[in-house]
Amino acid sequence: GIQVEQSPPDLILQEGANSTLRCNFSDSVNNLQWFHQNPWGQLINLFYIPSGTKQNGRLSATTVATERYSLLYISSSQTTDSGVYFCAVLGYSTLTFGKGTMLLVSP
Amino acid sequence: EAGVAQSPRYKIIEKRQSVAFWCNPISGHATLYWYQQILGQGPKLLIQFQNNGVVDDSQLPKDRFSAERLKGVDSTLKIQPAKLEDSAVYLCASSLSTGANEKLFFGSGTQLSVL
Repeated sequence: GIQVEQSPPDLILQEGANSTLRCNFSDSVNNLQWFHQNPWGQLINLFYIPSGTKQNGRLSATTVATERYSLLYISSSQTTDSGVYFCAVLGYSTLTFGKGTMLLVSP
Repeated sequence: EAGVAQSPRYKIIEKRQSVAFWCNPISGHATLYWYQQILGQGPKLLIQFQNNGVVDDSQLPKDRFSAERLKGVDSTLKIQPAKLEDSAVYLCASSLSTGANEKLFFGSGTQLSVL
C-alpha cells in the first residue's frame, strides 16, 4: 500500500514563531488532507489539497503532486495550535494516515 | 450543522468481555468510516460503509470485530471478545460520498481501555 511519512515527528515552538511540516508519500494520490488533532483527541479537517496551494488564516498548505510531497505552514503560532498534525492520502481506495507531527507551542 | 456523534466517550472493560460503540454521521453523509487509533500512531481504517453496504473491511479483524449500518445512517462497531491490544481510540468519520475529492469529518472518538 501507499506509504506516508511525516516530518519532523516532534516540534516545540515559542508562541509567535513560524513552522513548516512536511508530508512525503510513495505513490500518486487522488486526495490529500491535513488534519489537526487537538489535545482532547478531536480531529479537525484543515485542508483538502491534492495539488496546489490553499490558505486559511494563519495556516496554508502546498502540495506538489508530481514530486509526492505536501507542506503545511503555520505562521505566528499560538498555544491553541498545539496538538498532532496528520497528513492523510488516498491511493487506490483507502485514506492512509501518516504517524503525525506533534507540535507544542509554549507561551 | 451537527457533527459526527459518538458514544460512549470512554469505556473500560476486562479482556474477553464484549463492547459496542455507536456512531451517528453528519446528516446526509452517505459514507461512514470506523478508524482505530493506537496511542502515538495515525488512525487506521477498520471498515468503510457506503450507505448500508461495506466498501472496504480488509483491515477489520473479523474473528472478533463486527460492524453494521443497517439503515444506512447510524452504525455500531462491536468487539467480542476484547484483547489487551484492542486498547485504542475508536474514531467514526463520515463524508458525503466515496468520491476522491471528499473531505472526512471525525467524531470525538471512544477511548477504550482493556484491562
